[in-house]
Amino acid sequence: QQQVKQSPQSLIVQKGGISIINCAYENTAFDYFPWYQQFPGKGPALLIAIRPDVSEKKEGRFTISFNKSAKQFSLHIMDSQPGDSATYFCAASKGHPGANNLFFGTGTRLTVIP
Amino acid sequence: DAMVIQNPRYQVTQFGKPVTLSCSQTLNHNVMYWYQQKSSQAPKLLFHYYDKDFNNEADTPDNFQSRRPNTSFCFLDIRSPGLGDAAMYLCATSRGGVGYGYTFGSGTRLTVV
Repeated sequence: QQQVKQSPQSLIVQKGGISIINCAYENTAFDYFPWYQQFPGKGPALLIAIRPDVSEKKEGRFTISFNKSAKQFSLHIMDSQPGDSATYFCAASKGHPGANNLFFGTGTRLTVIP
Repeated sequence: DAMVIQNPRYQVTQFGKPVTLSCSQTLNHNVMYWYQQKSSQAPKLLFHYYDKDFNNEADTPDNFQSRRPNTSFCFLDIRSPGLGDAAMYLCATSRGGVGYGYTFGSGTRLTVV
């Protein structure tokens, strides 16, 4: 069972445009929602993360919007650049006595066209 | 720089021949994780260590085992690799507790021939 659902599977955006990736979850116990960026042949790298007590978090060109009642969150990449071309994973975790196990979405392959 | 290092980057093994992948960290994080990532799929958690406590995911095959001899090192052992075990294996670390992000290594690409 997929704990976190992500869409779209792939996305093509013109340089300078806005990229939007959406995720949804069911488990209301989740309380930490990070986004990871992965380039080919590399491990995922933490991009930005949000806790459910805020509705939006912005870091540079990257913004997470969080809708707790709808159990949805999204990543917005403003002024998309070709260097942003990568696979993006949303994830969620819940309090765990031993570790914050992350459940990943299925990923979105973003291509930014010059 | 503090980091997570995985060796080797690429590993080719024969069907059924045991193989070990290694991970080391200089972050002094409590938790070390092993993920399996197949092409165009999300990483799938195999197991993790919180300090010396081992936690196995329910659907991780018995063929996969792990060792953590000290804080810095963690190993993934595949006892009898099958063709379906070909994947990228990712090691990650975290401090443990909610809200601490993972630091991933660059992964080991395993090919089974």
